Amino acid sequence: QKEVEQDPGPLSVPEGAIVSLNCTYSNSAFQYFMWYRQYSRKGPELLMYTYSSGNKEDGRFTAQVDKSSKYISLFIRDSQPSDSATYLCAMSVGGTGTASKLTFGTGTRLQVTL
Amino acid sequence: DGGITQSPKYLFRKEGQNVTLSCEQNLNHDAMYWYRQDPGQGLRLIYYSQIVNDFQKGDIAEGYSVSREKKESFPLTVTSAQKNPTAFYLCASKIGQVNYGYTFGSGTRLTVV
Repeated sequence: QKEVEQDPGPLSVPEGAIVSLNCTYSNSAFQYFMWYRQYSRKGPELLMYTYSSGNKEDGRFTAQVDKSSKYISLFIRDSQPSDSATYLCAMSVGGTGTASKLTFGTGTRLQVTL
Repeated sequence: DGGITQSPKYLFRKEGQNVTLSCEQNLNHDAMYWYRQDPGQGLRLIYYSQIVNDFQKGDIAEGYSVSREKKESFPLTVTSAQKNPTAFYLCASKIGQVNYGYTFGSGTRLTVV
């Protein structure tokens, strides 16, 4: 079983829809949770990060972490065609050395159609 | 502008050859990482370095080597011992004490021909 599980999609939604992207994980030591957006043939760019449990909102994006369920989510409101990309969840224990490394989900490919 | 520069963008390697991928950052970040990305497998850690002249193996280090002679530079060599080198390679960096500020380069696509 992978340490981080993410539905690969593809997920296709119409413009303006609310999108929900999710990851589950098995390592209870993870404390830092991130969402990256990756366009085709580009490097990932950090969208959101959250420490421990709770919600965080930034514009049309909301990140949620439920550590009791080992489940994280990214919601995108009023989705736009420019949101079409692969979304990667990532998490780390935190600190330095081995603990600083990020463990990634496999990514969910999102397509927002006109 | 600060960032990470990876070169080349595309690289072709013949069987049995070693190739070196460049990664340079001007962010003054302490830690640097190399990840490999394959379809359906996400990003997997190859090597990482916390400080100059020190580096550690990641989850899939076999067939790869690195050096960290300067804070700004963390080149990755894909050796002939790597049996399946065709992949998208990503370099990342972060400030040592920050646990979320990872910045990625734009990647190098390596293809064995």
